[in-house]
Amino acid sequence: TQLLEQSPQFLSIQEGENLTVYCNSSSVFSSLQWYRQEPGEGPVLLVTVVTGGEVKKLKRLTFQFGDARKDSSLHITAAQPGDTGLYLCAGAGISGGSNYKLTFGKGTLLTVNP
Amino acid sequence: DSGVTQTPKHLITATGQRVTLRCSPRSGDLSVYWYQQSLDQGLQFLIQYYNGEERAKGNILERFSAQQFPDLHSELNLSSLELGDSALYFCASSVAGLAKNIQYFGAGTRLSVL
Repeated sequence: TQLLEQSPQFLSIQEGENLTVYCNSSSVFSSLQWYRQEPGEGPVLLVTVVTGGEVKKLKRLTFQFGDARKDSSLHITAAQPGDTGLYLCAGAGISGGSNYKLTFGKGTLLTVNP
Repeated sequence: DSGVTQTPKHLITATGQRVTLRCSPRSGDLSVYWYQQSLDQGLQFLIQYYNGEERAKGNILERFSAQQFPDLHSELNLSSLELGDSALYFCASSVAGLAKNIQYFGAGTRLSVL
């Protein structure tokens, strides 16, 4: 059973469209992170959210942590081809457990076509 | 460039063999994490070291072991290799040891077991 479920698994859109990807769990996390991974490279951290209900913006990307700290979403406005990549969410401190390890979702593979 | 160096980039070996993957963390980072990424399982946390000591363990098989040396570089040893061990292995480093701290990932070692 995957502790963090990401949806959709695959997303192919046209440049300029908006999109939202989701990261859901039945467990509470003390913090949640979003990463982007490009082919042949390791994941790169985009944001960390810690407080339930927290919203963070990074240019055209908006991240939200659910009130109950069990889910998160990533919204991209006016997607560009440079946004193409694998988006991974990762949680720490699951159900009050270790804060030393991250649990990753399987990711959403986003393709933005010009 | 994340500042984390992993060698080798690619490794091809046969079942039953043993290999060693090497990671040099970013300058000043005390913590090293090892992850395995496969298509079916996604990115899985294996083990974390902080300043030479094991701090957290994830889904690491008994055939796998790791260590962090006094100069803070780390090695992941994989023995009695099986076909299912074929995957991307990532090392990440961070200044401190909490999972919510920014982790910088290397470019990975692609292991193919034939």
